[in-house]
Amino acid sequence: AQTVTQSQPEMSVQEAETVTLSCTYDTSESDYYLFWYKQPPSRQMILVIRQEAYKQQNATENRFSVNFQKAAKSFSLKISDSQLGDAAMYFCACLDNYGQNFVFGPGTRLSVLP
Amino acid sequence: GAVVSQHPSRVICKSGTSVKIECRSLDFQATTMFWYRQFPKQSLMLMATSNEGSKATYEQGVEKDKFLINHASLTLSTLTVTSAHPEDSSFYICSARDGGGLQETQYFGPGTRLLVL
Repeated sequence: AQTVTQSQPEMSVQEAETVTLSCTYDTSESDYYLFWYKQPPSRQMILVIRQEAYKQQNATENRFSVNFQKAAKSFSLKISDSQLGDAAMYFCACLDNYGQNFVFGPGTRLSVLP
Repeated sequence: GAVVSQHPSRVICKSGTSVKIECRSLDFQATTMFWYRQFPKQSLMLMATSNEGSKATYEQGVEKDKFLINHASLTLSTLTVTSAHPEDSSFYICSARDGGGLQETQYFGPGTRLLVL
């Protein structure tokens, strides 16, 4: 069974600054996928970034990047130049290679201060 | 990106009635759809996996007779909460996997807020 842990229930960042959200996971699979989803107050889940475990290069999407440490089973999300619209719940998730087991972490609530 | 819709977005019903929630993939074919439940300030909890043309797979602790799932086409899955009770009040979210694209990525609907009086 897979588990995903997010140790920061809440985080805050000043507008235009950088913040890093932590995520650790545990899986017995050698090949899997990792995701960060954002859930704003509208509650619509939005894909932020995804990472294939077999790729060593960290994924990047504009202001969002990850620090993927496979040996440590760590998958943190860095948000650069934070904007007010980044305020949301952020969920880390892991999917096994068979695509059958998609597990979410408990979430981190990010506040962006003007 | 892929778009998933849910209907209704909000429903209020009396205890004992049944409620149907629809989940549609608008611009892709979804061989697999998922139904989640989310309580306030908590993470998403997978209820069941819905495969087109076959029976849904329910997670442990989820009553299949209580939460009926039908995935009759590649773009539509429905969740029916039968004989709803106040404890069924929650936020229900569906997601779909694009069978022709990034198959490992799930695209989520906007959710349905159910309130059972």
